[in-house]
Amino acid sequence: AQTVTQSQPEMSVQEAETVTLSCTYDTSESDYYLFWYKQPPSRQMILVIRQEAYKQQNATENRFSVNFQKAAKSFSLKISDSQLGDAAMYFCAYRSGGRSNSGGSNYKLTFGKGTLLTVNP
Amino acid sequence: NAGVTQTPKFRILKIGQSMTLQCTQDMNHNYMYWYRQDPGMGLKLIYYSVGAGITDKGEVPNGYNVSRSTTEDFPLRLELAAPSQTSVYFCASSYGRGGPDTQYFGPGTRLTVL
Repeated sequence: AQTVTQSQPEMSVQEAETVTLSCTYDTSESDYYLFWYKQPPSRQMILVIRQEAYKQQNATENRFSVNFQKAAKSFSLKISDSQLGDAAMYFCAYRSGGRSNSGGSNYKLTFGKGTLLTVNP
Repeated sequence: NAGVTQTPKFRILKIGQSMTLQCTQDMNHNYMYWYRQDPGMGLKLIYYSVGAGITDKGEVPNGYNVSRSTTEDFPLRLELAAPSQTSVYFCASSYGRGGPDTQYFGPGTRLTVL
């Protein structure tokens, strides 16, 4: 079974600076997808960024980028020019790329326990 | 396009009571999911559905039931509520056509069982 580990329960960063959140995962599969979700105090789960394992290029979304190291099974999130609105719980998640029995996408999304990010003004 | 909506936002139940958490999506997604989030933990899958009339268990299905009579709706039923079911419940949906198949989440329902 796949596992996702976020080793930093809490992190803090000064406004306008850069912070990196760590995520490692354990899998024997070669085809999979990785996600970072943000959960602000409103509780809404918001997709931040995603990465396909078959792509060597690291995904980027504006101030958010990932460092995907497939051999090391590492998927860290870098937030540049941190803003007060970035303060939230961040979850790393893994999904198998295989097909389900119904032929559709594999349903199972495995989450880490989260990292609480504080942004200091 | 409202995305995924959930009702109610909050609910307090007494032990042994029953209730239904409602979930609706307007994105014409095939797959729908119910998760629970306990304090300090990530989300765990309760049940999922790959289409109308088709549901299956996730990791933590005990104490819950689901149905999917339409593409849009995926209600979660709690029978005989127990304190262990105190949690935040999230509904999500996705296309289910392969690829990244990103799941989109509703705002959650905070349930307390006393």
